[in-house]
Amino acid sequence: KQEVTQIPAALSVPEGENLVLNCSFTDSAIYNLQWFRQDPGKGLTSLLLIQSSQREQTSGRLNASLDKSSGRSTLYIAASQPGDSATYLCAVPESGGSNYKLTFGKGTLLTVNP
Amino acid sequence: EPEVTQTPSHQVTQMGQEVILRCVPISNHLYFYWYRQILGQKVEFLVSFYNNEISEKSEIFDDQFSVERPDGSNFTLKIRSTKLEDSAMYFCASTPDSYGYTFGSGTRLTVV
Repeated sequence: KQEVTQIPAALSVPEGENLVLNCSFTDSAIYNLQWFRQDPGKGLTSLLLIQSSQREQTSGRLNASLDKSSGRSTLYIAASQPGDSATYLCAVPESGGSNYKLTFGKGTLLTVNP
Repeated sequence: EPEVTQTPSHQVTQMGQEVILRCVPISNHLYFYWYRQILGQKVEFLVSFYNNEISEKSEIFDDQFSVERPDGSNFTLKIRSTKLEDSAMYFCASTPDSYGYTFGSGTRLTVV
């Protein structure tokens, strides 16, 4: 059974700092990995999707990398802003099935202080 | 950009009552899902729906839960007799295949 772990559970940084969020998964036979943002009490907004054949994806100040063999992904946020404050979740589809159901990590709660 | 739409955004119901949570997935997507998130916990899979039938369900998805796609566009989750522990955020999602999910903004269900 796939297990997804995110470290750290919480992170507080001053504005402007570059930061890295970590995600690890136990079963490396994944189709892809997706990073989401969740604001308090709100839905899940997709940030980046990395296919299993890719090493990284970039969108603006966000860069996600994927190392399937080691079961790890990182989300790099450059020049953080207070508006980046949210919970960041990573999720991977269950391997071996055709339903692509996702297993989520518990998330990293990011606070960017002005 | 296409969206997954969920209604209502917040529902308060008395224990034992039936609730129906509604979702309009993205029209050309093939796989539909319900997930839930109890406050402070992980987002967890409830059920997947493909080709007009349930393709997989979790242990949580017991006989009090059901899903329907009544008219080819809407996708509903019914909880027949709500319990206090059903209080959670319920998310609908859809995907064309393995190329990434789109989630709705969720329905916050509060059972009192």
